[in-house]
Amino acid sequence: GAGVSQTPSNKVTEKGKYVELRCDPISGHTALYWYRQSLGQGPEFLIYFQGTGAADDSGLPNDRFFAVRPEGSVSTLKIQRTERGDSAVYLCASSPNPPGLAGGGSYNEQFFGPGTRLTVL
Amino acid sequence: GQSLEQPSEVTAVEGAIVQINCTYQTSGFYGLSWYQQHDGGAPTFLSYNALDGLEETGRFSSFLSRSDSYGYLLLQELQMKDSASYFCAVNSGNTPLVFGKGTRLSVIA
Repeated sequence: GAGVSQTPSNKVTEKGKYVELRCDPISGHTALYWYRQSLGQGPEFLIYFQGTGAADDSGLPNDRFFAVRPEGSVSTLKIQRTERGDSAVYLCASSPNPPGLAGGGSYNEQFFGPGTRLTVL
Repeated sequence: GQSLEQPSEVTAVEGAIVQINCTYQTSGFYGLSWYQQHDGGAPTFLSYNALDGLEETGRFSSFLSRSDSYGYLLLQELQMKDSASYFCAVNSGNTPLVFGKGTRLSVIA
């Protein structure tokens, strides 16, 4: 079946511009996550959706970042007034189960998309 | 706060066994996950340990000691394709995963 897809794969923009990054999760997955990954670092949590609502947005660095998931499937990460420090790979992941539940093996697996590489000039 | 420590780089010979350690400090703990990421690729799930002990999946095994806040990933019969970055990640409850900085594994002939 289809995995998590993200568009665009690459985005180059100028400082101060607005960008939107899209994530299509695996069909039926209720949980959706956005992460940001800089070179040589692990994914850094940004925001988590359970259904349509943002269950945890504690990772968003500031109010220039915003994300929506209006119908509980596709999500869009929006960045206003981009800065050079926003340059990174933005990863989206989905899972059939919300985090924090007990379960072994692959129960807590998150399925990642290929990411969007954002470059702010 | 939450933090995870893992070695930044490991080099091992094809066919050998390598162990990647991870220690963590978190305010809550449900389990420890391991993910593999090839250069330019997406992280892919390898294993999850909620209870103490060893979980084996083919050539890969993962171990957890909750009392020591420690886990490791064991890769056996190393292949060149195993060259990648490996991340441990903590599931600490209702918050999503917190990842370590990753260990870059280089498998040499």
